[in-house]
Amino acid sequence: ETGVTQSPTHLIKTRGQQVTLRCSSQSGHNTVSWYQQALGQGPQFIFQYYREEENGRGNFPPRFSGLQFPNYSSELNVNALELDDSALYLCASSLDGVRGSYEQYFGPGTRLTVT
Amino acid sequence: AQSVAQPEDQVNVAEGNPLTVKCTYSVSGNPYLFWYVQYPNRGLQFLLKYITGDNLVKGSYGFEAEFNKSQTSFHLKKPSALVSDSALYFCAVRDPRAPGGSYIPTFGRGTSLIVHP
Repeated sequence: ETGVTQSPTHLIKTRGQQVTLRCSSQSGHNTVSWYQQALGQGPQFIFQYYREEENGRGNFPPRFSGLQFPNYSSELNVNALELDDSALYLCASSLDGVRGSYEQYFGPGTRLTVT
Repeated sequence: AQSVAQPEDQVNVAEGNPLTVKCTYSVSGNPYLFWYVQYPNRGLQFLLKYITGDNLVKGSYGFEAEFNKSQTSFHLKKPSALVSDSALYFCAVRDPRAPGGSYIPTFGRGTSLIVHP
């Protein structure tokens, strides 16, 4: 098992509501990435934070936002939930930079269902 | 823009036979390449990576992969498959020349490996 944890494990929300998902990175990692994984698909990159700054974003609307905290834990916030937001949300941490190793360690995911 | 292709949705192999899961990529410059495995209802697990150096890299659980720059490929291999290797396999690339040095990751769609007893 990796040292990356996510909460909650499962979540059911209603269309239009807002949700916050949380991730605790592996110790010593400075980068966190968030992904959306639909059933039978590969992870789709949402955004990435390096040392508390967003340094990359995928093709997701602004209602998907995030934060990375000084202890390198992070949040993914989704506003105005839509039915298509139903998916497994994965966070992954890595050590990037000059002495980085760059492989990502994933949490178990949060299964979000929007009804 | 960088991209990763896994041309096979599913690979079937008999236990004890060698296996290959294919991956090709498109990225400017020298790529950072990775393989991950996902078991049902689990997150992805890192298997191996190529950053620089020897083109043949070895990883967890007896897996290895060969970086081929001329063919832009990074195929995953194992000499002798086990039933427990049955899972979903993802190839990924991180581009060290992405804007701002962000090493944005891109994943393939995944290949389902089924090892028959």
